[in-house]
Amino acid sequence: KAGVTQTPRYLIKTRGQQVTLSCSPISGHRSVSWYQQTPGQGLQFLFEYFSETQRNKGNFPGRFSGRQFSNSRSEMNVSTLELGDSALYLCASSLGVGRTTYEQYFGPGTRLTVT
Amino acid sequence: AQKVTQAQTEISVVEKEDVTLDCVYETRDTTYYLFWYKQPPSGELVFLIRRNSFDEQNEISGRYSWNFQKSTSSFNFTITASQVVDSAVYFCALSEADNQGGKLIFGQGTELSVKP
Repeated sequence: KAGVTQTPRYLIKTRGQQVTLSCSPISGHRSVSWYQQTPGQGLQFLFEYFSETQRNKGNFPGRFSGRQFSNSRSEMNVSTLELGDSALYLCASSLGVGRTTYEQYFGPGTRLTVT
Repeated sequence: AQKVTQAQTEISVVEKEDVTLDCVYETRDTTYYLFWYKQPPSGELVFLIRRNSFDEQNEISGRYSWNFQKSTSSFNFTITASQVVDSAVYFCALSEADNQGGKLIFGQGTELSVKP
């Protein structure tokens, strides 16, 4: 089975611009979660989508948004970029169904640099 | 409040030494899950183990073993006979059942360096 894929792998943007990152989960996985990783704050949860609905949300400003499509692929968008948004953005997928908490499998990440 | 603490920021050992990575968690939920992930220099997080709060059995997988103790809210990870390929950052994470598993709370990570 193919793993979680993320595109693009690297991105350089200017302050004030917006950016869209894409994530394709493992086939059959319906839950997609997004995380931001920075040296200072570590790994922080952004949001989770399941069946095209946001099921959980982290403590990030409204500039960070996401969506999920019917094929479980997900995108996240960051508007009005700030220097502090420079980070590795990780996407993870899991089965997500029922009451069991399944393990999440991570993609390679998108390295975003804001200048 | 939910929180995961990995007090050891960096650990350096010589190959073949045993090493234990500590993880302490906080949660008010009675049903929760604990995880360990490995992040090698390539950057991709690799899943190692999942444990639910009702299963306190220790687990061994090859050179890896995990010790889960609810009484001390700890979920420690031991690598026996460490190898250079074990060098990576290791993260402990917590997920509460109420959020249906989509949200992982990570510790700050422990960077393990295994020298030949």
